[in-house]
Amino acid sequence: DQQVKQNSPSLSVQEGRISILNCDYTNSMFDYFLWYKKYPAEGPTFLISISSIKDKNEDGRFTVFLNKSAKHLSLHIVPSQPGDSAVYFCAASSNTNAGKSTFGDGTTLTVKP
Amino acid sequence: NAGVMQNPRHLVRRRGQEARLRCSPMKGHSHVYWYRQLPEEGLKFMVYLQKENIIDESGMPKERFSAEFPKEGPSILRIQQVVRGDSAAYFCASSPSQKNTEAFFGQGTRLTVV
Repeated sequence: DQQVKQNSPSLSVQEGRISILNCDYTNSMFDYFLWYKKYPAEGPTFLISISSIKDKNEDGRFTVFLNKSAKHLSLHIVPSQPGDSAVYFCAASSNTNAGKSTFGDGTTLTVKP
Repeated sequence: NAGVMQNPRHLVRRRGQEARLRCSPMKGHSHVYWYRQLPEEGLKFMVYLQKENIIDESGMPKERFSAEFPKEGPSILRIQQVVRGDSAAYFCASSPSQKNTEAFFGQGTRLTVV
């Protein structure tokens, strides 16, 4: 039973356009959500997060939206840049312990010049 | 300020041997988390340790796997009698406290069992 799902294994967008990555979760106990970016042969690096008491968090080109009723979150990247090409992982945790998170399987984003 | 350091980066073991993976958390961090990533999958939580204590090992296989975080030195993930299915990338993360909004990951150890 996968509690965090990223249903799109890959996404390809043109440079300058918007990238939208989606994530669904099933566990109502999750109260904190994170997006990580990962390059090959490296560890995940934190990108942006959102608490369950909010529905939006923005940081520069990155915005995360949370729809608690639908148990759905999304990451928007605007404008997309070639350097954004990486694997993006959605993660969820409870009791605001980001160290112990449940990860999705990732979405590989390719931004074409 | 060094980040989370894992070594070795790559480890090759024959079936039946032991694998020892090391993780030095960021300076000032006393909470360590180990994850395993199989090919084409996400990271799976294994174990959460605080100095000298195992807090949560709910993701750890019951046999052959153990972890420790001694008072002095790095955290160690130990896999005894490795099998081919243990081949994966193992990541360590650290945080300064239990309530944390971000965990910092190391670059991982890629274990290959031949």
